[in-house]
Amino acid sequence: AQSVTQLGSHVSVSEGALVLLRCNYSSSVPPYLFWYVQYPNQGLQLLLKYTSAATLVKGINGFEAEFKKSETSFHLTKPSAHMSDAAEYFCAVSEMGRRALTFGSGTRLQVQP
Amino acid sequence: EAGVVQSPRYKIIEKKQPVAFWCNPISGHNTLYWYLQNLGQGPELLIRYENEEAVDDSQLPKDRFSAERLKGVDSTLKIQPAELGDSAVYLCASSPPEGEQYFGPGTRLTVT
Repeated sequence: AQSVTQLGSHVSVSEGALVLLRCNYSSSVPPYLFWYVQYPNQGLQLLLKYTSAATLVKGINGFEAEFKKSETSFHLTKPSAHMSDAAEYFCAVSEMGRRALTFGSGTRLQVQP
Repeated sequence: EAGVVQSPRYKIIEKKQPVAFWCNPISGHNTLYWYLQNLGQGPELLIRYENEEAVDDSQLPKDRFSAERLKGVDSTLKIQPAELGDSAVYLCASSPPEGEQYFGPGTRLTVT
């Protein structure tokens, strides 16, 4: 069985500061890993995905994530936060061959001016 | 390219009433998913279709929930009868073969 743990349900940063959202996964087979962003009253939008190619994955809006097998982690980072980054972020895992995603409980990012 | 379309966006019903949600996936996407998102939680899969066949419905509460995907395109998710605990956002997503999932805006259901 696969699962995702997102540490910190709320993260607050100042505009221009580093963003770090944590995600740890559990999977019995090599996983595919994803980060999604959800703005209020909207669906989920894919930020980036890891599918066993390069361990450092670059996504949209300046976000990137690094797959670390030894730590079973896939943390999301952005060097400099922008006010428009305020949203809910979800980490998700998919086992190869099973198309559905298992999501973490989400981290709400606040960006202070 | 149009995204995943869901309707209605919001629905308020009394408990024990039936309710239905509709999803139109992106053209050419053969896989369709319904997810349930409770407040403050991540989405959870209810059912996955490959074309018109439901291939993963282990999390669908079949005593009150049903779904169908007509001709492998549009899909409808139904709840009958609704309970207070069904209040949540119901998300539809679609994907092409071997591709990523695209999500619709969801239907927010409130059961009173």
